[in-house]
Amino acid sequence: EVQLLESGGGLVQPGGSQRLSCAASGFSFSSYAMSWVRQAPGKGLEWVSGICGSGDSTYYTDSVKGRFTISRDNSKNTLYLQMNRLRVEDTAVYYCAKDGYSSRWYGPRYFDYWGQGTLVTVSS
Amino acid sequence: EMVMTQSPATLSVSPGEGATLSCRADQSVSSNLAWYQQKPGQAPRLLIYGASTRATGIPARFSGSGSGTEFTLTISSLQSEDFAVYYCQQYNNWPRSFGQGTKLEIK
Repeated sequence: EVQLLESGGGLVQPGGSQRLSCAASGFSFSSYAMSWVRQAPGKGLEWVSGICGSGDSTYYTDSVKGRFTISRDNSKNTLYLQMNRLRVEDTAVYYCAKDGYSSRWYGPRYFDYWGQGTLVTVSS
Repeated sequence: EMVMTQSPATLSVSPGEGATLSCRADQSVSSNLAWYQQKPGQAPRLLIYGASTRATGIPARFSGSGSGTEFTLTISSLQSEDFAVYYCQQYNNWPRSFGQGTKLEIK
């Protein structure tokens, strides 16, 4: 059974940093691209960042480029999102999502499994 | 960034009836389109990928169609558990992007 368990959310001040983790199990982690997708309170879904299965290629939406860094440790089956220079508008539930297509080299496409999310609140 | 526009924003339908949800891309995404269902307090669930392929375990009453810039999600004979918010998502271009969602509510 595929499981994705996010952690690391919480309250952080504007300009601060936070590191999210996603522990994966139940599938060959290194064979799949992974993504972070966020949802602000009462709003829709926003794809934030993705990484290919090998970890060699990373992808970001424009609003987080230069502030967020996605990475993965395939030996630990864990995905990370390092968030720096956080803004109030980054407040959201952050979901870890597994790609639906098996490839070590291609970036994220669509998402067939999702974690339950971790809430990041950026506020003074 | 590609813009995905869903319509209507809210759709009121009676149980047992059918529903048609639309998604439009501002440029062609070929067939690289997925649909998700999200219920309150839950993570999204994949319904359709490749514009028309049902994901594992998705009932046959869900069907997707379209290519290029115009896509449709059709739900036949709505069940109580189908009332939720539905999102389309393109994976043809970077960054990946979602529509703003259609809320399917009980009439």
